[in-house]
Amino acid sequence: GAVVSQHPSRVICKSGTSVKIECRSLDFQATTMFWYRQFPKQSLMLMATSNEGSKATYEQGVEKDKFLINHASLTLSTLTVTSAHPEDSSFYICSASRGLVNTEAFFGQGTRLTVV
Amino acid sequence: RKEVEQDPGPFNVPEGATVAFNCTYSNSASQSFFWYRQDCRKEPKLLMSVYSSGNEDGRFTAQLNRASQYISLLIRDSKLSDSATYLCVVIDKLSFGAGTTVTVRA
Repeated sequence: GAVVSQHPSRVICKSGTSVKIECRSLDFQATTMFWYRQFPKQSLMLMATSNEGSKATYEQGVEKDKFLINHASLTLSTLTVTSAHPEDSSFYICSASRGLVNTEAFFGQGTRLTVV
Repeated sequence: RKEVEQDPGPFNVPEGATVAFNCTYSNSASQSFFWYRQDCRKEPKLLMSVYSSGNEDGRFTAQLNRASQYISLLIRDSKLSDSATYLCVVIDKLSFGAGTTVTVRA
């Protein structure tokens, strides 16, 4: 099956710094990728939809200037958490799909971000 | 109303029991539905697709009710390894339900 690779799997950073998370589709071209955040004991919450070659579409309540998304190619999307704070500590996960009709989603392994 | 809603559980069931739970969705035009399984601190894994006619995969049965806008998952002969959170996914923009936690006890 298709593989989506996410890196890094775990990162600890100091408050105020920025962290970049990469999401790559290894064996298919993903025109659309999705970024989620998951707090403990809660479901995956969609943060934004990343579209290759255009601006990302952010969900209500997600600050686009804080969570910068770049989808520069059909196989790579990046999420940068800028000026991270402890409340940004969470599990971030990306997903990609070949399409939106009767196609499953493939997930990256997730990134556990801890801001200290 | 949330796009996708699930009974969060938890459902605590003895080994060998049958457990079933639903997931409702708000967009009547939604076309594709899936059940995913997520183990603690791991990424979700596809469990099964949900077809209009209903489908079965071993001990798991998924059904779709378009009139009432819900999908269901039934697990027969529960095993300890079935303990997980089950997420329903509705493909509009990959909307997830909050997940239903199932714990199977010996």
